[in-house]
Amino acid sequence: SQTIHQWPATLVQPVGSPLSLECTVEGTSNPNLYWYRQAAGRGLQLLFYSVGIGQISSEVPQNLSASRPQDRQFILSSKKLLLSDSGFYLCAYSGNTIYFGEGSWLTVV
Amino acid sequence: GQQLNQSPQSMFIQEGEDVSMNCTSSSIFNTWLWYKQDPGEGPVLLIALYKAGELTSNGRLTAQFGITRKDSFLNISASIPSDVGIYFCAGQLRSGAGSYQLTFGKGTKLSVIP
Repeated sequence: SQTIHQWPATLVQPVGSPLSLECTVEGTSNPNLYWYRQAAGRGLQLLFYSVGIGQISSEVPQNLSASRPQDRQFILSSKKLLLSDSGFYLCAYSGNTIYFGEGSWLTVV
Repeated sequence: GQQLNQSPQSMFIQEGEDVSMNCTSSSIFNTWLWYKQDPGEGPVLLIALYKAGELTSNGRLTAQFGITRKDSFLNISASIPSDVGIYFCAGQLRSGAGSYQLTFGKGTKLSVIP
């Protein structure tokens, strides 16, 4: 069966520090992968999606970037975090529809 | 851009009562999805609807894909305390690049009073 994992689950980082959130999918090959951001428990916003290794599409301009170094690995990064980057980040993959990971809480202080 | 109107925003109900929430859109979607999100966790898919007019049940949950493909409802019968959470509808389209594009409603926060 297919599973998706992302980590860390929670993260507290100072302003200006780098960020790396990782996501891996098991049980499937060549999945489409997604990074969403959710503010205040509602409103999921698509940040990035990838249809293959090295292929990244950005939906909104921002301080974040994404990379897909391997088929089932998706990474969300930032070189210098802003306070406004705080939020709940969700990785997802698509089979016949979209399935989400457990989420990562990021607090920038 | 596409928008989904989900209502109600929040509900307080007595345990055992039935619940109904719905989503409408100005655009057509190929698929309608209903997710539930518990606090601090990722959304979990409850029901997926693939055909206009489709009525699907999953235990105490029933959802329908509107004939016009612009709306959907979710019903929960005989609510229990563990039904508490935020329910999201989502309309799904498949892009030419092969990725799925989801448009989410803003969620319905359900509280169940024991």
